[in-house]
Amino acid sequence: EAGVAQSPRYKIIEKRQSVAFWCNPISGHATLYWYQQILGQGPKLLIQFQNNGVVDDSQLPKDRFSAERLKGVDSTLKIQPAKLEDSAVYLCASSFGGANVLTFGAGSRLTVL
Amino acid sequence: EDQVTQSPEALRLQEGESSSLNCSYTVSGLRGLFWYRQDPGKGPEFLFTLYSAGEEKEKERLKATLTKKESFLHITAPKPEDSATYLCAVRSIGGGSEKLVFGKGTKLTVNP
Repeated sequence: EAGVAQSPRYKIIEKRQSVAFWCNPISGHATLYWYQQILGQGPKLLIQFQNNGVVDDSQLPKDRFSAERLKGVDSTLKIQPAKLEDSAVYLCASSFGGANVLTFGAGSRLTVL
Repeated sequence: EDQVTQSPEALRLQEGESSSLNCSYTVSGLRGLFWYRQDPGKGPEFLFTLYSAGEEKEKERLKATLTKKESFLHITAPKPEDSATYLCAVRSIGGGSEKLVFGKGTKLTVNP
C-alpha cells in the first residue's frame, strides 16, 4: 500500500513569511496527525483530526498555525507568520482508528532564517 | 502530565556488542507503549506495541519488554544497519482524545 505522502520535503523561508505543508494519508485511515519535531527532540503533537473534524489541537500555536482537512482525506498545515523557533521537521501521520499504530510520512523540513 | 524519559541519549556499540535502551514513563493508565525506529531524514517507523507488564515482543535482533514503570529495548548482537534513533511513546488519553506522547529518543550507533 502507498505510504503517507508529504510535500514539500524542504522549505527555507525568512521570518515573518508564510509557509504551507501538504499531507495525503494512507487510503482509509480516518485519523490524521501533525507532529512537530525539533532537532534532537521527540515528535510533539500539534493537531489531530478524526475524518475532517479536529479532535485535539491543544498544543497548536493558534496565533500563527492553522490546519485543515477537507473532505476527510488530505490535509494542509500553515504557518503565518513564521518565527525562528518554528524551524523543525513537520511530520504527518495517519492511523486506521484512534492512537493505535501510526504510519508516518518522511516529513517536511522547515528552516526559518 | 504524561511523561516519557529515554536513556541514554546516545549509545555507541561495536558490532556484536549487545545492550539495552531504557524508556521510563509516567501515565495515568497505560493503554499502550510503542517503540519506533527513525532513520536520518525519514519519519518514525513502527516496531512494537506492548500493553501489559510482563509482555515481550521480538523482531530479528530486537526484543522489547514492559514493566509497570518502564520498558526496555534489548539489542542482541547488533549490526551497523541497526544504527538509528529509537523512540518510545505512550498512548495518552486527555480531553476526550487519544494521542501518542513521545520521548526524546536514543541515538544508537553501531560501528563495524
